[in-house]
Amino acid sequence: QLHLQESGPGLLKPSETLSLTCTVSGDSISGSTYYWGWIRQPPGKGLEWIGSIFYTGRTFYNPSVRSRMSMSVDTSKNHFSLKLSSVTAADTSVYYCARVGNSLFDYWGQGALVTVSS
Amino acid sequence: QSALTQPPSASGSPGQSVTISCTGTSNDVGGYNYVSWYQQHPGKAPKLMIYEVTKRPSGVPDRFSGSKSGNTASLTVSGLQAEDEADYYCSSFAGSDNFLYVFGTGTKVTVL
Repeated sequence: QLHLQESGPGLLKPSETLSLTCTVSGDSISGSTYYWGWIRQPPGKGLEWIGSIFYTGRTFYNPSVRSRMSMSVDTSKNHFSLKLSSVTAADTSVYYCARVGNSLFDYWGQGALVTVSS
Repeated sequence: QSALTQPPSASGSPGQSVTISCTGTSNDVGGYNYVSWYQQHPGKAPKLMIYEVTKRPSGVPDRFSGSKSGNTASLTVSGLQAEDEADYYCSSFAGSDNFLYVFGTGTKVTVL
């Protein structure tokens, strides 16, 4: 059974860089035909796709965060990562990692709350 | 890329049906048969319920069904049960050049 788990700091100050890692078990990122993605959800609000990555390193980002966003993949550790620079309070969200199928998100991590506060 | 439009709330009594709409544009919902629906219970991760407009993943009850007409997709939950009370989000593929995805604003379904 596929399992995804987010990890990373839960509290940041404005202007810092958000860094999260999603560790995948039950499937090999490098052996997969799937993309791997990040979706975030501000408290009490809706979902927002922010980016996807293939094991080759090919990436796609939401234009709303593209200038601050970077994703990477480490196939040896079977995980992929997110970096979002210059965070503000508006970036406070639960960040989910997910497997991206044929235009669907079929497996999700449990989510990681990241709070940006001075 | 603007969020897809969903009604904030919908409700029905046990056993009844409820339909949720998801309105986009020809650049997303209307342009591709790649609409999916997600159920989210409080404090939990979303769960895929419908994909490619009408298909159900293994394990999802056939009480859940999807459809699309033009720029509007719909999710129908028939035979409402207490455990169906949750937030529901639609999502659509929104760009073949840069693999964009857009989510709906979300609908809170209440079982009366």
